[in-house]
Amino acid sequence: SQTIHQWPATLVQPVGSPLSLECTVEGTSNPNLYWYRQAAGRGLQLLFYSVGIGQISSEVPQNLSASRPQDRQFILSSKKLLLSDSGFYLCAWSTLAGTLFNEQFFGPGTRLTVL
Amino acid sequence: AQKITQTQPGMFVQEKEAVTLDCTYDTSDQSYGLFWYKQPSSGEMIFLIYQGSYDEQNATEGRYSLNFQKARKSANLVISASQLGDSAMYFCAMRVPRTGNQFYFGTGTSLTVIP
Repeated sequence: SQTIHQWPATLVQPVGSPLSLECTVEGTSNPNLYWYRQAAGRGLQLLFYSVGIGQISSEVPQNLSASRPQDRQFILSSKKLLLSDSGFYLCAWSTLAGTLFNEQFFGPGTRLTVL
Repeated sequence: AQKITQTQPGMFVQEKEAVTLDCTYDTSDQSYGLFWYKQPSSGEMIFLIYQGSYDEQNATEGRYSLNFQKARKSANLVISASQLGDSAMYFCAMRVPRTGNQFYFGTGTSLTVIP
């Protein structure tokens, strides 16, 4: 069965510090991968998605970046965190496009607080 | 442009009663999929139910049913016999394969079940 991991689960970082969040998927190959951010009490904002190794699409211009060094690994990074980067970060995967029913499966999330 | 609208920020329902969470969508495509997710306070996103644009029957999954009205572009979630464990955020989402791999999420509805 497929499993999606995210770490760390919680993170407290000072403003201006770097960030690296990691997401890995097991039990599937060539998934679509997604990073979302959810501010407190708000909806999901799509940050990045990837359809393959090295292929990243950015939805929102900001100080965050994403990389996909391996098929089932998706990394969210920042060189200098801002206060506004605080939130709940969710990684998700889905099967290839082309079918209507390919739900997204979400990881457990990372709660990031920037102080 | 693709868009999901959830106009109810918060809803209350008495335990054992039914509740309807509203969702309207906007797309000019004929092929699309509609999804509902539940997010408890733990943060995990749980897939509940799916409706394809070509499905003639309303989707049902246990106590969840989707009231799909294509002409009105609405995909309301109906939860029957509410339980205390149903208290959570609920998100409606849409995927339009022709436009790529993105999932479009609404802003969510917070449901509170009252004992």
